[in-house]
Amino acid sequence: KAGVTQTPRYLIKTRGQQVTLSCSPISGHRSVSWYQQTPGQGLQFLFEYFSETQRNKGNFPGRFSGRQFSNSRSEMNVSTLELGDSALYLCASSLVDPLAGGVGNEQFFGPGTRLTVL
Amino acid sequence: AQTVTQSQPEMSVQEAETVTLSCTYDTSESDYYLFWYKQPPSRQMILVIRQEAYKQQNATENRFSVNFQKAAKSFSLKISDSQLGDAAMYFCAYRSSKLNTGGFKTIFGAGTRLFVKA
Repeated sequence: KAGVTQTPRYLIKTRGQQVTLSCSPISGHRSVSWYQQTPGQGLQFLFEYFSETQRNKGNFPGRFSGRQFSNSRSEMNVSTLELGDSALYLCASSLVDPLAGGVGNEQFFGPGTRLTVL
Repeated sequence: AQTVTQSQPEMSVQEAETVTLSCTYDTSESDYYLFWYKQPPSRQMILVIRQEAYKQQNATENRFSVNFQKAAKSFSLKISDSQLGDAAMYFCAYRSSKLNTGGFKTIFGAGTRLFVKA
């Protein structure tokens, strides 16, 4: 079974631009979460989607948005980029419905998209 | 709000020796999941081991085992017979088992970088 894939793997943008990152979960997984990883802040939760609905959102400004499609693929968008947005953006998929809780719940991560804002 | 603390920024172990990575967490919930993730220099995050809070038995996965002390809110990872390939950043993570006011986001610790000496 193929793992979580993220595209692109590397991205260089300039301040003020906007960017869209893509994540394809493991086949059969319907939950997708996004995280920002920086040396200073570590791994910070951005948002989680299940069946095209945002289930939870982290403490990030409105410039960060996301969506999930009917095939469970997810995109994350960052508008008006700032230097501080430079980070590794990780996507993770999970089998279970977060509202159902229960067994599993472990997340499988993609390789990440390295975003550099100049 | 839940928090996860990894007090050891770096650890070092001799090949074939045993090392224990520490993790403590804070929560008011009684039902949750705990995970250890490994992030090698290639940056792909992979699940090492998971523990359900309602299980008293400590989880094991080959050379990896945990010491789960629910009352003390401690969840340490023991790596036996350390190998060069174990060198990586290790993250301890907490995830609720059901929806609550904090949602289902996974809370990660700051990570422990493990060096393995040949």
